[in-house]
Amino acid sequence: KAGVTQTPRYLIKTRGQQVTLSCSPISGHRSVSWYQQTPGQGLQFLFEYFSETQRNKGNFPGRFSGRQFSNSRSEMNVSTLELGDSALYLCASSLVGYTDTQYFGPGTRLTVL
Amino acid sequence: AQKVTQAQTEISVVEKEDVTLDCVYETRDTTYYLFWYKQPPSGELVFLIRRNSFDEQNEISGRYSWNFQKSTSSFNFTITASQVVDSAVYFCALGSGGSNYKLTFGKGTLLTVNP
Repeated sequence: KAGVTQTPRYLIKTRGQQVTLSCSPISGHRSVSWYQQTPGQGLQFLFEYFSETQRNKGNFPGRFSGRQFSNSRSEMNVSTLELGDSALYLCASSLVGYTDTQYFGPGTRLTVL
Repeated sequence: AQKVTQAQTEISVVEKEDVTLDCVYETRDTTYYLFWYKQPPSGELVFLIRRNSFDEQNEISGRYSWNFQKSTSSFNFTITASQVVDSAVYFCALGSGGSNYKLTFGKGTLLTVNP
């Protein structure tokens, strides 16, 4: 069974631009979570989607948004990029999310110049 | 609120040594789940082990073993006979409140295994 895939793997953007990251979960998994990883803050939960609905959101500004499609694929969008948004963005999927184990993708490394 | 503390920032060992990574957690929930993930330089978080709060039996899986103690809120992870390929950052994570889709992670422990 294929693992979680994320595209693109690397991105370089400039301040003020917007970016869209994509995540394809493991087949059969319906819950998709997004995390931001930075050296200073570590791994922080961004939001989670299940059946195309956002169930929970972390403490991030409204510039961070996401969505999930009917095939469970998910995208996250960051608008008006700031230097501090430079990070590794990890996507994780699980069956339904409540007591399951999350499996992570390889991440998208975003650099904001 | 949930919290996970990994007091060891970095550990360096010589190949074939045993190494234990410490993890202390805080939660008010009575049912929760604890995880260990490994992050090699490639960046992907690799799932290693999982333990439910209602099962304190400690197990061994190959070179990995773990010691879960509710009384001290600790979930330590041991690698026996370490290998160079074990070099990575190891994260302890907590899922509680029936929401394992929102894990709380520790800051990670960088393990370096030298040949």
